[in-house]
Amino acid sequence: DIQMTQSPSSLSASVGDRVTITCRASQSITKYLNWYQQKPGKAPKVLIYAASSLQSGVPSRFSGSGSGTDFTLTISSLQPEDFATYYCQHSYTTPYTFGQGTKLEIK
Amino acid sequence: QLQLQESGPGLLKPSETLSLICNVSGGSISSTSYYWGWIRQPPGKGLEWIGSIYYSGSTYYNPSLKSRVTISVDMSKNQFSLKLTSVTAADTAVYYCAREHDNRYFDYWGQGTQVTVSS
Repeated sequence: DIQMTQSPSSLSASVGDRVTITCRASQSITKYLNWYQQKPGKAPKVLIYAASSLQSGVPSRFSGSGSGTDFTLTISSLQPEDFATYYCQHSYTTPYTFGQGTKLEIK
Repeated sequence: QLQLQESGPGLLKPSETLSLICNVSGGSISSTSYYWGWIRQPPGKGLEWIGSIYYSGSTYYNPSLKSRVTISVDMSKNQFSLKLTSVTAADTAVYYCAREHDNRYFDYWGQGTQVTVSS
C-alpha cells in the first residue's frame, strides 16, 4: 500500500495567517492527490482534487500544488471557518489511503 | 442536489455481520461517470477506504478487508450496500458512503453512521 504522511500533525495559527500543510507519498502518485477538510461530527469535504484543481464552490484562498511524492495545501488567509482537520488522500491505485490528518487550531 | 444517507444497526456483537445501506437521492446511481464507495473512521482516528462499486456491479476492495467485505448495488432502489462479516471491536467506527468522481475523489458524502461492536 502507498503510505501518506502529513506534516505537521497539528498546527496553531491566527485568522489572516497563511498556512501550508504538507503531504508526502511513499512512492510516486503523479498528480493523484486529493485534499479534504473535516469538522467535528461532520463528513469530510473535498477541497482540492488532482493535486491542484479547486473543487467547485470552495473558496479561492485554498490551493494545492505538487506532483510525484510531495504535495502541499495552502490557505492564503485563514478564516474562522477554516479551523478543522485536513486530510490528504491518494487515488493513484487501490487501495486508496489517507494521511493521518492535520488539525488546524486557533492560536 | 445529490444526497446520500446511510442506514443500519448501530450496535453489533463480536462475530456478527455489519450491514449498511446507502440511499442515494437527487441523482441516479446508474450514472456512468461515478463509482460509489464506503469509507470508515474509528473514533478519534483517520479515514480508511473500504471499497467502491460501479453501477454495473464491478467492485474493488481494500485488501486489508477484502476477505470480509461485500459491496453491492440495487439500481431499482437507487442504493448500494456494505456487508462486513465477523466484526470485532476494531470495526467500531463511523461509516460513510460517498460518491467517487471519475477523477477519483469523493465529492459527495453521507452524514455518516456510528457502528459500535461490543459484547
